[in-house]
Amino acid sequence: DQQVKQNSPSLSVQEGRISILNCDYTNSMFDYFLWYKKYPAEGPTFLISISSIKDKNEDGRFTVFLNKSAKHLSLHIVPSQPGDSAVYFCAASGWGSGGGADGLTFGKGTHLIIQP
Amino acid sequence: KAGVTQTPRYLIKTRGQQVTLSCSPISGHRSVSWYQQTPGQGLQFLFEYFSETQRNKGNFPGRFSGRQFSNSRSEMNVSTLELGDSALYLCASTTISRQGGDEQFFGPGTRLTVL
Repeated sequence: DQQVKQNSPSLSVQEGRISILNCDYTNSMFDYFLWYKKYPAEGPTFLISISSIKDKNEDGRFTVFLNKSAKHLSLHIVPSQPGDSAVYFCAASGWGSGGGADGLTFGKGTHLIIQP
Repeated sequence: KAGVTQTPRYLIKTRGQQVTLSCSPISGHRSVSWYQQTPGQGLQFLFEYFSETQRNKGNFPGRFSGRQFSNSRSEMNVSTLELGDSALYLCASTTISRQGGDEQFFGPGTRLTVL
């Protein structure tokens, strides 16, 4: 049972336009969400996060929106640049019985391709 | 500040062998988490260590184990390797973000191939 879903395996966007990557989750105990970017043969790089007490967080060209009632979050990249081409992972975490944050639960990723 | 380092970067083993992977977190980070990444399953949580204690564990068999030392460095061990253990193993060190949640920084990973 996938608790974090990224339903688009790939997305192609023209340079300069907005890229919107979507993520849905099912576990209502998740209270912190993160986006990671990954290039081939490298570890994921943290991009931006949002806690469940907010519905928007912005950092430069990256904005994450959280809709708790719909259990949906999205990452907006504006404007999209060629260097943004990578796989983007959505991740979620919550506080479990282990005394700390449960490990992150990741979606399977969306491959973003920025076309010139 | 140096990032998360993992050694070795690549490893080839045969079925039945065991393997130990090492991770050094970012200086000052006390929590280390391990993940397995495979093409079919994506990124899956293995376990988390904090102050030398395993704090959380994912759904992996007992062949997968780990430990953390007093200097926060961590090792994970996989015994009796199976072909399906071939994957990229990622280590992440954790700090508390400005928003109060955990922020994880990943190492480059160890690519394990089991033949």
